[in-house]
Amino acid sequence: SYEVTQPPSVSVSPGQTASIPCSGDKLGDEYVSWYQQRPGQSPMVVIYQNNKRPSGIPERFSGSKSGNTATLSISGTQSMDEADYYCQAWGGNIVIFGGGTKLTVL
Amino acid sequence: QLFQSGAEVKRPGASLKVSCKGSGFSFTTYALHWVRQAPGHSLEWMGWINAGNGNTQYSQKFQGRVTFTRDTPANTVSMDLRSLRFEDTAVYYCARESAGGRYHGMDVWGQGTTVTVSS
Repeated sequence: SYEVTQPPSVSVSPGQTASIPCSGDKLGDEYVSWYQQRPGQSPMVVIYQNNKRPSGIPERFSGSKSGNTATLSISGTQSMDEADYYCQAWGGNIVIFGGGTKLTVL
Repeated sequence: QLFQSGAEVKRPGASLKVSCKGSGFSFTTYALHWVRQAPGHSLEWMGWINAGNGNTQYSQKFQGRVTFTRDTPANTVSMDLRSLRFEDTAVYYCARESAGGRYHGMDVWGQGTTVTVSS
């Protein structure tokens, strides 16, 4: 297996774009999903297969990947987007989560 | 939806069983994952069970100490964790793998079960 790395925290001003990176040596070969977890709540998938949005997820959430780094972007960030965000990939038959990034909307 | 059993307080060395009941979907056509989250920490994957055929895959970290089972008539999967340690204190989640497969993420999560290991 391998590890994926996220910055512990990212800050953004309301209305601006937040970018949260996730890097790992083998991420270039894997699909990445992203989860949002608000305080006291269960996680919720916001991006799968690197850049696809499940139904019901606002268009301001987008995902991309370049080489071994995946990025979750939130455009027009709102206060309700303040949460922890986790990237997730598969390493063979096991699931790997990143360490999580706390997004603060200042 | 996924509904999990209630909070537990356990002594070190004891065993734990958390159940997860599915509602509103064809339970046996899905894989269910178990994920835990220690206080202030990241999500930690424990493994998955195919609710249809009972096949399992465990994280190497928990191999030998955890068992996933299913009760298909009851639309329920369970997680048994043995020889509990203080560091097993966490919220335990079950999560459904999307019908689109593993690369579509976990699209339904239980509400979480808080487990405290304390002497």
